[in-house]
This record gives sequence, C-alpha cells and structure tokens, in this order.
Amino acid sequence: EVQLLESGGGLVQPGRSLRLSCAASGFNFDDYSMHWVRQAPGKGLEWVSGISWNTKYIDYADSVKGRFTISRDNAKNSLYLQMNSLRAEDTALYYCAKGKGSGTYTPLDYWGQGNLVTVS
Amino acid sequence: EIVLTQSPGTLSLSPGERGTLSCRASQSVSSSYLAWYQQKPGQAPRLLIYGASSRATGIPDRFSGSGSGTDFTLTISRLEPEDFAVYYCQQCSGSPRTFGQGTRVEIK
Repeated sequence: EVQLLESGGGLVQPGRSLRLSCAASGFNFDDYSMHWVRQAPGKGLEWVSGISWNTKYIDYADSVKGRFTISRDNAKNSLYLQMNSLRAEDTALYYCAKGKGSGTYTPLDYWGQGNLVTVS
Repeated sequence: EIVLTQSPGTLSLSPGERGTLSCRASQSVSSSYLAWYQQKPGQAPRLLIYGASSRATGIPDRFSGSGSGTDFTLTISRLEPEDFAVYYCQQCSGSPRTFGQGTRVEIK
C-alpha cells in the first residue's frame, strides 16, 4: 500500500523558513517523480513543485520560484521542500504527491493527507 | 502558463442523474497530459482519470473522460451518494502544471 506522510509544518512568521518532509513507502520510490501541491484554506489546488526520479529535472510554480527548493533522498525514500522568505499567501495545506511516471510531466496518482503551514 | 477554466462552478444534481463537467484550456493540451481528480471534504485529492480518458486504478466505470485540444469533459453516468464532491482538472504538459478552479457537484 502506497503511503505518503508529510511533516514539518506549523506556524511561522513572515520572512522565516520552514522545511517540509514527506516519508514514502509501499512503492519503489526511486522510480517515480514526486511533487508538492498546496491548497489555501477554502481554495483550490495549486501545483508548487516537482522533481524527477533522478533529480535531473526540477520545476517550480512562478509563485515560489527563487524561494522554495525541492529535493529528494532516494536512499531514505524521502521528499523535501525547503521554504524560505515565507509570505502570508504561502499559508496552505501542503500535499506530497507521487507522480504516475518518472518524469515531472505526469499526473499525480497518490497523495498524502497534507501538512498545514501557517504564515502569520 | 496554461489556464484551465472549469464549468459550471457548481452542479446541482440528484443521485442517479448524469453529471457532465467541462474543462477548457487556454491553449491546446495533449490528451496524454490531462487528468481529473476528485476531492471530498477533509480528504486529499484522488486521481480519477489520466490521459484524458483512462481510468485510474480502482475507479468505477461510471466515471469517464473525453476530449482533445482545448476542450475536455468528465462524465459521471449515474451519480452515487459518494460522488458528491469537488472535481479538478489538471494539465501536466506545460510549465507550470496547472489545475482548474474546480467544479462542486452537490446534492439537489
């Protein structure tokens, strides 16, 4: 069974940093791309970032480019999102999601339950 | 950026009725890169359809997807009580990947 468990969220002041983690299990982690998607309270889904299986291809939404950094550790089956210079508009539930394929241009077939980040 | 516009914003239907949801892209999207998700309150999204028309694992056949170019459709043939939720389309061919704003399917 595929499981994705996010951690690291919480309340943070504007301008500060936070690092999200996602522990994956139940599949061959290093065969698939991984992504972060966020959802502001009461709003829709926003794709944040994706990383290919081998870290060769990385992409970001314009809203976070230059502030957020995605990374992965295939030996630890883990995905990360380093978030710097946080703004109030970054407040959201952050989902870790598995790509259906190895590249970043792929739908997302499994999702974690989300981790709340509040910037205030 | 490819903008996806979903319509209607809210669809009010009764169980057993047919639901038709639309997703229109601001520029052509390869069918291979168009997906649909379902999200229920307090839950993570779930992949329903990928490649515009292929059902994801475990998705019942009352869900079907169609379309090409800039116009895509998700059809729910006969609504079950558990189908009342918010549905999002997503394109994963352009950068950034984008979602539509969602269609809420509510009980009439």
